[in-house]
Amino acid sequence: QSVLTQPPSASGTPGQSVIISCSGSNSNVGSNTVNWYQQLPGTAPKLLIYYNNQRPSGVPDRFSGSKSGTSASLAIGGLQSEDEADYYCASWDDSLKRYVFGIGTKVSVL
Amino acid sequence: QVHLVESGGGVVQAGRSLRLSCAASGFTFSTYAMHWVRQAPGKGLEWVAVILYDGSNVFYGNSVQGRSTISRDNSKNTLYLQMNSLRYEDTAIYYCARGGGGWLELDYWGQGTLVTVSA
Repeated sequence: QSVLTQPPSASGTPGQSVIISCSGSNSNVGSNTVNWYQQLPGTAPKLLIYYNNQRPSGVPDRFSGSKSGTSASLAIGGLQSEDEADYYCASWDDSLKRYVFGIGTKVSVL
Repeated sequence: QVHLVESGGGVVQAGRSLRLSCAASGFTFSTYAMHWVRQAPGKGLEWVAVILYDGSNVFYGNSVQGRSTISRDNSKNTLYLQMNSLRYEDTAIYYCARGGGGWLELDYWGQGTLVTVSA
């Protein structure tokens, strides 16, 4: 059980859009920035979105992040087969004084 | 380019200790916070610990608090994780990661080192 709630799975057909939610509380998402990580099968995680909505160099603009209150979301537009991966949200929790990850969302491209 | 290489993993008996290392290169190690994150087989990511750039502050995840110590040697560009009283549930791939400009965005990751705790 994580303090950040994500759906365990999401799917779409190529070209569709997928949105992954990340729900937290005032002590984490509500008061700190949210980062998103992509983990392709068998590889180390990769930073996908930082500071709620910023993309590191090299990340396609099909990936976008947003945050409102105690919830954040990751949108993947124009879904491609190579987007099949696990996606994790993360944020600092002021009460726990820990960095917390969501349980991860497995995205499948049908 | 930024390169992080973990080492020190292996098979260890429950109750014993292990020290992981992470050799960093390609950036000014002494100016970045560094993290450990682990992933049990088939499970999600679990944050383990962070140490600020100068070692002045450290924070730990719930699962390792009191049993592990994160440290760094900026003269050797190396991050460490000393794990004591190992439990079966500590079995995982352990990744080191660099904290970016804001210290909480993990912008570069190593390939991980596998720790297996046996009965």
